[in-house]
Amino acid sequence: SQQGEEDPQALSIQEGENATMNCSYKTSINNLQWYRQNSGRGLVHLILIRSNEREKHSGRLRVTLDTSKKSSSLLITASRAADTASYFCATAQGAQKLVFGQGTRLTINP
Amino acid sequence: NAGVTQTPKFRVLKTGQSMTLLCAQDMNHEYMYWYRQDPGMGLRLIHYSVGEGTTAKGEVPDGYNVSRLKKQNFLLGLESAAPSQTSVYFCASSFDMTSGAYEQYFGPGTRLTVT
Repeated sequence: SQQGEEDPQALSIQEGENATMNCSYKTSINNLQWYRQNSGRGLVHLILIRSNEREKHSGRLRVTLDTSKKSSSLLITASRAADTASYFCATAQGAQKLVFGQGTRLTINP
Repeated sequence: NAGVTQTPKFRVLKTGQSMTLLCAQDMNHEYMYWYRQDPGMGLRLIHYSVGEGTTAKGEVPDGYNVSRLKKQNFLLGLESAAPSQTSVYFCASSFDMTSGAYEQYFGPGTRLTVT
């Protein structure tokens, strides 16, 4: 079963705008990771946030984690056409596996 | 470094045929994974391995078998393909998931169609 549920399923914005995607999960986690998938390609790791962290930044990416609400958000600032992709959250519950959500499909319009 | 590679990239099978998908990584990673991705879905874990000679079942293991005879290779087998196994298959590897701290590196995928 899917642990993470991304919201929205699809998002379309203008280039230069900010994009926010949300992820909710059901059980306790060790950490939460975000991945990007360009069309027809494998997933690429973007950022990891541990369960004892509340916010993390990497370039134009900002991730927040609220363990009390079992939710995370990914903010992409100043979006570019190259950011068009699907974005997945993945939760690490135990020692060996990640469980992926169904993803948010982001389209950046020029 | 080539990273994670998968062979083949595309394959069409008839129902009942068998095939093996090969995943290779050159990063000396301990952990390796096989996922399938269906349209509009996230990734579902089929089988995984925490080291050479070990394998374990994931979320959707039925109809698949795996082997990890060498640390760098992880094979996924379909003994008798079914149309429900039409999917894109991704292999991934990671250095150490003991603390869940390490990212997974993905291959480019194998697109399999079973008719």
